[in-house]
Amino acid sequence: GAGVSQSPSNKVTEKGKDVELRCDPISGHTALYWYRQSLGQGLEFLIYFQGNSAPDKSGLPSDRFSAERTGGSVSTLTIQRTQQEDSAVYLCASSSSGGLRTEAFFGQGTRLTVV
Amino acid sequence: GNSVTQMEGPVTLSEEAFLTINCTYTATGYPSLFWYVQYPGEGLQLLLKATKADDKGSNKGFEATYRKETTSFHLEKGSVQVSDSAVYFCALTLPNTGFQKLVFGTGTRLLVSP
Repeated sequence: GAGVSQSPSNKVTEKGKDVELRCDPISGHTALYWYRQSLGQGLEFLIYFQGNSAPDKSGLPSDRFSAERTGGSVSTLTIQRTQQEDSAVYLCASSSSGGLRTEAFFGQGTRLTVV
Repeated sequence: GNSVTQMEGPVTLSEEAFLTINCTYTATGYPSLFWYVQYPGEGLQLLLKATKADDKGSNKGFEATYRKETTSFHLEKGSVQVSDSAVYFCALTLPNTGFQKLVFGTGTRLLVSP
């Protein structure tokens, strides 16, 4: 596609439910990132995928969070047993490689509200 | 740890005014520095970057100079327009992470009135 696409754009869920957030990166981009933008914490790195390598999960805040990337393209971020503190905007980005000199292109995000 | 500190907003200016948004950083090593912009209803976009000390990044009339001695990367524009109203994020990455793991500041909202 023309840009990074995320769905849904908004999600309201009840506390304790599981949610799945989807990211469709720019075609041909091998690197994919998830970030979280919340009022209390600003923008935080969550996870990084590069090609077929094992992802860097160092930013995931708890074991309730997981992500996968199928076929090196679409990625899904799953939050189990959601808590109110999970309310945030979840941003996905992709780049042509993971290199430090390549630009990361961001999607518009999914706004998650846990009630 | 590695962190970025930005001035709190909102910054409110009249059109054609001079803009400065302060950004300082703390990092182990030699980071690359970035400014991202988020226009209303849109995703984050890279505005400019600098990868080593004394480099100046520039784009769309915005400039920022990588100052190692003051650990700063202040964003400036000589004459702002209403269309510059957005949230601006300063960020860094470290070469030893092996990939572009961005550490962001909290963002500064800029409001420009006609």
